[in-house]
Amino acid sequence: GAVVSQHPSWVICKSGTSVKIECRSLDFQATTMFWYRQFPKQSLMLMATSNEGSKATYEQGVEKDKFLINHASLTLSTLTVTSAHPEDSSFYICSASSEYGGYTFGSGTRLTVV
Amino acid sequence: GQSLEQPSEVTAVEGAIVQINCTYQTSGFYGLSWYQQHDGGAPTFLSYNALDGLEETGRFSSFLSRSDSYGYLLLQELQMKDSASYFCAVRPYNQGGKLIFGQGTELSVKP
Repeated sequence: GAVVSQHPSWVICKSGTSVKIECRSLDFQATTMFWYRQFPKQSLMLMATSNEGSKATYEQGVEKDKFLINHASLTLSTLTVTSAHPEDSSFYICSASSEYGGYTFGSGTRLTVV
Repeated sequence: GQSLEQPSEVTAVEGAIVQINCTYQTSGFYGLSWYQQHDGGAPTFLSYNALDGLEETGRFSSFLSRSDSYGYLLLQELQMKDSASYFCAVRPYNQGGKLIFGQGTELSVKP
């Protein structure tokens, strides 16, 4: 079946630094990539939607300059958390969709900012 | 906008049957999906209802009634490994294919 590889699975960084999270679709073309953030005991909150070759569409309240999303190819999308602060500590999950529909989730990235 | 409400917690014993409800307010969507998520893991797809009625997939069944703005996930013959969070989700019309999740229900299965 469809597989999305997400890296890193966990990362600890210092406050003020930037962190890049990658999601790769291994056996299909991800025409659309969705990025979610999940705080403990809470739901998955959609941050942004990106289509290959286009600028991402951010949900209300999500800072596009802080959460940079790149979807330069049909198999790779990246989320960069810039100038991370402790309040950005969260579980970040990507989800890829192909032209045939369906959603395949990455395994998630646990970000801890100290 | 869309909102999907679920009970925050449900507890049941091994071998029992449990129903997790999802009530929603949304202008229109393609179907209702259910996902399971274990602690620290990614959501995994369980079931999907495009039309009203019951869909059965092994021990899991899901139901949708658009007229009642309501759906549920039914888990039978509960096992300890079913302890997880369960989310309903919808894909609204004309919103770029995004999936909107409910608040999630934490299921605890006791021996």
